[in-house]
Amino acid sequence: GENVEQHPSTLSVQEGDSAVIKCTYSDSASNYFPWYKQELGKRPQLIIDIRSNVGEKKDQRIAVTLNKTAKHFSLHITETQPEDSAVYFCAASPSGGYNKLIFGAGTRLAVHP
Amino acid sequence: EPEVTQTPSHQVTQMGQEVILRCVPISNHLYFYWYRQILGQKVEFLVSFYNNEISEKSEIFDDQFSVERPDGSNFTLKIRSTKLEDSAMYFCASSDAGLEGNEQYFGPGTRLTVT
Repeated sequence: GENVEQHPSTLSVQEGDSAVIKCTYSDSASNYFPWYKQELGKRPQLIIDIRSNVGEKKDQRIAVTLNKTAKHFSLHITETQPEDSAVYFCAASPSGGYNKLIFGAGTRLAVHP
Repeated sequence: EPEVTQTPSHQVTQMGQEVILRCVPISNHLYFYWYRQILGQKVEFLVSFYNNEISEKSEIFDDQFSVERPDGSNFTLKIRSTKLEDSAMYFCASSDAGLEGNEQYFGPGTRLTVT
């Protein structure tokens, strides 16, 4: 089945810097890749997603890139702010799975003022 | 904005007891899911449900687990005989179509503590 690897496990940046989180997946049939932000004790919240027919998607300070050939996708946060501090999870949706999401292990992002 | 809701927010139970976790998906959604997250770990898929039947389940979802949609609004997860290792946060999610790539909306979770 699908396996998603996520790096790094922790990331510490200064406010205003950029942050990049990378994920790889194993099932070449996966075609939907969402990113979730989870604050302590809260539900995962979708922040951006990308489908396999698109190579890049941007929403204000957040962007996601997808390389289907290499089977990896990345989250880019620019001009980081302290409120970006959270755990970020990537996920992949394998085909035929009624949209089940397979999550990566998460990246704890700390943005220091 | 409509949200998925879950009750209770925290459930403490003794090992061997049955628990039922409840979820109210977003009203026009047709696909429902349960995930769990052991403290400090990743979110893991348990089961998906569509048209009043399980569409897929993971290896975690063994015979101790069952799901039900008893009426038009609730979606429940039952653990028949809880074990210590069932302690986790359980998230319900729903989506509005089966087409691959539809956003799943997560509920706030139920923290299950088995003692």
